[in-house]
Amino acid sequence: GQQLNQSPQSMFIQEGEDVSMNCTSSSIFNTWLWYKQDPGEGPVLLIALYKAGELTSNGRLTAQFGITRKDSFLNISASIPSDVGIYFCAGNVNQAGTALIFGKGTTLSVSS
Amino acid sequence: SAVISQKPSRDICQRGTSLTIQCQVDSQVTMMFWYRQQPGQSLTLIATANQGSEATYESGFVIDKFPISRPNLTFSTLTVSNMSPEDSSIYLCSAPTANSYNEQFFGPGTRLTVL
Repeated sequence: GQQLNQSPQSMFIQEGEDVSMNCTSSSIFNTWLWYKQDPGEGPVLLIALYKAGELTSNGRLTAQFGITRKDSFLNISASIPSDVGIYFCAGNVNQAGTALIFGKGTTLSVSS
Repeated sequence: SAVISQKPSRDICQRGTSLTIQCQVDSQVTMMFWYRQQPGQSLTLIATANQGSEATYESGFVIDKFPISRPNLTFSTLTVSNMSPEDSSIYLCSAPTANSYNEQFFGPGTRLTVL
């Protein structure tokens, strides 16, 4: 079945640093989504991407849908302590709200 | 965005018992999804719940173990049957909304511990 490779698995950074994480898939995706999960909570949608090459920002977060439609990256600029959490990429190959395939997550730690 | 609630938020259960988890969406949705997140792991889809039809289960998940109900367009339940410690996980429901098409929103999850 389809798999998503997400890297890095974990990151330890200083407050104020920029962060970059990415996902690659074995299949072409029609949608890429980036989620953040805090301890004891469900994943919260950060950014949704629908078109190859699309670059979308949400505050200090920027994500891009790769030209090949098999990859996506998420950048966080000027990190702050509340950015701590697990970031998941997710995508699907079909339209109309079908189930998502998730990456294994990137655990972000920010020291102040 | 959709608002999704789940009950219970957490439970500790004995081996061999069953637990039913409820998921409520604040708008009508055609599809709802149930995921499992084992400790320290990513999310794995259990099944897709369509209103008015049988749920569709992913490989490795069966209806006898995880029966699902979908009585209307805003509600679904997942039962974890005959539990064992290996069932200890977070169980999450999600739903897309008409406005957001492919964007899925998640409930807060049910943290299950089986002793």
